[in-house]
Amino acid sequence: EVQLLESGGDLVQPGGSLSLSCAASGFTFANFVMSWFRQAPGKGLEWVSALSGDGLTPTYADSVKSRFTISRDNSRNTLYLQMDSLRGEDTATYYCAALLGATTAVAFWGQGTLVTVSS
Amino acid sequence: EIVMTQSPATLSVSPGEIATLSCRASQSVSVSLAWYQQEPGQAPRLLIYGASTRATGTPARFSGSGSGTEFTLSISSLQSEDFAVYYCQQYKTWPTFGQGTKVEIK
Repeated sequence: EVQLLESGGDLVQPGGSLSLSCAASGFTFANFVMSWFRQAPGKGLEWVSALSGDGLTPTYADSVKSRFTISRDNSRNTLYLQMDSLRGEDTATYYCAALLGATTAVAFWGQGTLVTVSS
Repeated sequence: EIVMTQSPATLSVSPGEIATLSCRASQSVSVSLAWYQQEPGQAPRLLIYGASTRATGTPARFSGSGSGTEFTLSISSLQSEDFAVYYCQQYKTWPTFGQGTKVEIK
């Protein structure tokens, strides 16, 4: 059974930093492009970032570019998201996701971790 | 950025009836279109990809159609577990989502 388990969500002050992790199991992690999505409270879904299976090709939404860094450790089957210079508008549930083949459709979603940016 | 627009925002349907949800793209996405279901407090779940291909585990009462800029998700004979929010997503370019359609019990 595929499982994606996020952790690291917390309350952080504006301008602060936070690191999220996503532990994957039940599939060959290194073979999948992995991604982060987010959903602000009561709102829709937004793509944040994606990373190729070899970890060499990251991409970012304009809203987080230069503030967030995606990475992965294929030996630990874990995806990371380092979030710096956090803003109120970054408040959301962050979902880890495994993408479907060569597309950016999401095959598998984690259950999410809540990040709240507030003073 | 490709903008996805879903209609209606809310759809009231009785159990056993058919629900038809629409999704429009601001420019052609060919068939690079997925549908997701999200129940309250849960993560989304992939239902349809390639505009019309059911994902593993998606019941046959869910069907997707369309290409280019106009897409439809149909749910025949609505079951209690189908009352949820549904999102369309294009993946022709980096992904963007519609704002969602809430299917509620009439």
